[in-house]
Amino acid sequence: QKEVEQDPGPLSVPEGAIVSLNCTYSNSAFQYFMWYRQYSRKGPELLMYTYSSGNKEDGRFTAQVDKSSKYISLFIRDSQPSDSATYLCALPGGANNLFFGTGTRLTVIP
Amino acid sequence: DTGVSQDPRHKITKRGQNVTFRCDPISEHNRLYWYRQTLGQGPEFLTYFQNEAQLEKSRLLSDRFSAERPKGSFSTLEIQRTEQGDSAMYLCASNGIYNEQFFGPGTRLTVL
Repeated sequence: QKEVEQDPGPLSVPEGAIVSLNCTYSNSAFQYFMWYRQYSRKGPELLMYTYSSGNKEDGRFTAQVDKSSKYISLFIRDSQPSDSATYLCALPGGANNLFFGTGTRLTVIP
Repeated sequence: DTGVSQDPRHKITKRGQNVTFRCDPISEHNRLYWYRQTLGQGPEFLTYFQNEAQLEKSRLLSDRFSAERPKGSFSTLEIQRTEQGDSAMYLCASNGIYNEQFFGPGTRLTVL
């Protein structure tokens, strides 16, 4: 079983839609949760970083963690064409290396 | 620009050749990581340095791969006798006292 599972999509939504991206994880010891955004042929860019259960909001982005279900989500409100990218959830391992999901490819259609 | 930089951005080589990539982390960061990413997959951890010490290696890092960080600043990743299966994006990341890792733009390797 992989440490992190993520639906690879692809996901296409119209501009202005609310986007929901999700990951599940297997090890309840994970304490930190991250979301990265990766544009085509670029390195991943840190988007959100959360430590505890609950919600964390940053502009149009909300990260949600449910430790009891081992489920993390990223919501994007009022999605824009510039949000078109691959979104990766990531959890830090024992040596602080990150375990990544496969990434969900999002396209926001104008 | 104070972000992580990598060089070269693209490398095309023939099977059997050796290649070397360089990573310059954010200057105050003492931890440096190498990852490999293939198409449609998330990055996979290869190895980790704390200053100049290589503290962790993934089983993905075969004997043909070697990484160094001689003065605790920049790092190099060398692949000897490249194989077509080595074709991937090689990503470098660094972080300081917190767990957030900041990635460079990557080196895309194509082995013909």
